[in-house]
Amino acid sequence: GAVVSQHPSWVICKSGTSVKIECRSLDFQATTMFWYRQFPKQSLMLMATSNEGSKATYEQGVEKDKFLINHASLTLSTLTVTSAHPEDSSFYICSARDQGRGPGKTQYFGPGTRLLVL
Amino acid sequence: DAKTTQPPSMDCAEGRAANLPCNHSTISGNEYVYWYRQIHSQGPQYIIHGLKNNETNEMASLIITEDRKSSTLILPHATLRDTAVYYCIAKTGNTPLVFGKGTRLSVIA
Repeated sequence: GAVVSQHPSWVICKSGTSVKIECRSLDFQATTMFWYRQFPKQSLMLMATSNEGSKATYEQGVEKDKFLINHASLTLSTLTVTSAHPEDSSFYICSARDQGRGPGKTQYFGPGTRLLVL
Repeated sequence: DAKTTQPPSMDCAEGRAANLPCNHSTISGNEYVYWYRQIHSQGPQYIIHGLKNNETNEMASLIITEDRKSSTLILPHATLRDTAVYYCIAKTGNTPLVFGKGTRLSVIA
């Protein structure tokens, strides 16, 4: 159980275009989902927290108008990178928190989406 | 959330137990200790978590000291597929996971 999927697994796009990444919790409901970014040889960096039906909360330094997050249902969150530039090239990973498995609320991660902006 | 300290790297012989330490001396009473690992180019994988009692599951054992200031993740029979970066994170139930640098475990044949 506790499977999180992401789509696409990799994407190449031209500079200036927008890219949408989907994150789904397949076998549990996730009131809260998270988006992370990871650059080569670095650790994961939390970008934002989204709660179903409300606006996302962004970490300091993350542009909310550039990284649009929608969490419209208990099993789906999307991240749209708008007007992508080469410096947005990174590994984007989503995570969903299982609300129903005891007091220690565990986050489960998707396989990640590798974005390359040319 | 409490800061955690882990060694940057460790080696372990295949088939032997891998013992990964984590220091969290400022942990508060309502913070859990979580362990995740990230195999190259994949999303992090949940391993185990605990509050104050030792925990065991099909992947690993988590030993937390009585004062809760440190813990050890034990992989009982390491295989080459256990080569990964292991993260120890202390946090309360409702805060998001914040990753440090972790320990890079290399399992050697």
